[in-house]
Order: sequence, then structure tokens, then C-alpha cells
Amino acid sequence: AQKITQTQPGMFVQEKEAVTLDCTYDTSDPSYGLFWYKQPSSGEMIFLIYQGSYDQQNATEGRYSLNFQKARKSANLVISASQLGDSAMYFCAMRRNTDKLIFGTGTRLQVFP
Amino acid sequence: NAGVTQTPKFQVLKTGQSMTLQCAQDMNHEYMSWYRQDPGMGLRLIHYSVGAGITDQGEVPNGYNVSRSTTEDFPLRLLSAAPSQTSVYFCASSKGQESSPLHFGNGTRLTVT
Repeated sequence: AQKITQTQPGMFVQEKEAVTLDCTYDTSDPSYGLFWYKQPSSGEMIFLIYQGSYDQQNATEGRYSLNFQKARKSANLVISASQLGDSAMYFCAMRRNTDKLIFGTGTRLQVFP
Repeated sequence: NAGVTQTPKFQVLKTGQSMTLQCAQDMNHEYMSWYRQDPGMGLRLIHYSVGAGITDQGEVPNGYNVSRSTTEDFPLRLLSAAPSQTSVYFCASSKGQESSPLHFGNGTRLTVT
């Protein structure tokens, strides 16, 4: 069975600092995809970054990067140079093949000046 | 670009009432899904569909029915609403590929009294 675990209910970071949001997953399938989403207080779900299980390099999208450690089954999101607008809920999710996409419970990030 | 359209945005039901949450997408996506979001529990998958005529259960399917008669539409039916179904409901769609991110609707806030 698939499972996504986010162990940090909340994180604080000072503006302009980097922050890492943890995500571990459990699957026995060799092929899977990992996603991160952002949910600001307005409620919409915003796709941030994707990592495939066979990708050799860590994914990056602007200030977002994914620290993918396949052997440890972790896919941590790194946000560099945090901004006040980064304050939001962040969700890690996994899809096995073309099947359903399962989410973790989320981490609330608060960026302070 | 309409994307994923959910209606209504807000709904209040009495226990035992039935209703249908509507979801439509105009991106010709094969995959569609329904999630509910509750505080501290992340997004939990209710039902999903990998194509017209095909539906499957997610993590929390009890009390909900779905059908997929067209590629565009994926309604969620509550047959007899219960207070435990008070939640925010999200519809989402994607291409039928492992790397395809979900596109989310804006959500429906449902209260059952």
C-alpha cells in the first residue's frame, strides 16, 4: 500500500532563509512520482514540483528544489530565500504508475520578517 | 481557461439530505478524482476515475457515490448526509501519466447540521 508521511505539523523560518520540509513515502513499486503542492490561506492548491522515481537528478523549479533520497524513501522540499508569501500549507503526494495520487497530512510553514 | 470547475462553493445540508457536488474539466484529462480536506488530516481520496466509464474507491469512499459518463464530468453524490461529512471537498484532474500534476478546482465547503 502507498503511504506518505509528513512529520512536521508546523515550521517557522525567517525571511530570506532556506527551509526544508520533510516527506517520506512507502511503496513497493519501482515506478512512482512524487509531487509537492502549496495551499495558501485562500485555499487553492498550487502545484510546485515533481520528481520521478527514475530521475537521476533532483528536481528544481525556481526557489524550490526536491532533495530526493530514493534508498531512504524521502523527498524533502527545500525552499531557498524564503519570502513572506511562502507562508502556507505544503503537501507532499505520491502517484504509483498512472494510478491514484495520495497526499500526506501537510506542514504549515510560517515565514516571519 | 476554465480548468476544473466545481459547484457549489458553499452548501449547508441537514442530516439525511442528499446532494450532488458537480465537477467539470475542459482539458480533456483522463484522470479525475475527489478529495476531502479536514484539519490535521490532509487531503484524503474519496473516489477516482482513470477514464469515462471507470471509477474506483479511494481511502474514504463510504457514504459517497460517483459516476463518469463523460470525460468532462465527475459528480460526487452524498446519498444521506451525515455531520461527519462536513468538510471541504476538492475535485482534481490530470492527464493519465505518472508525471502529470493534478489540476484542482476551488473547492466546496460543505456543512452538515
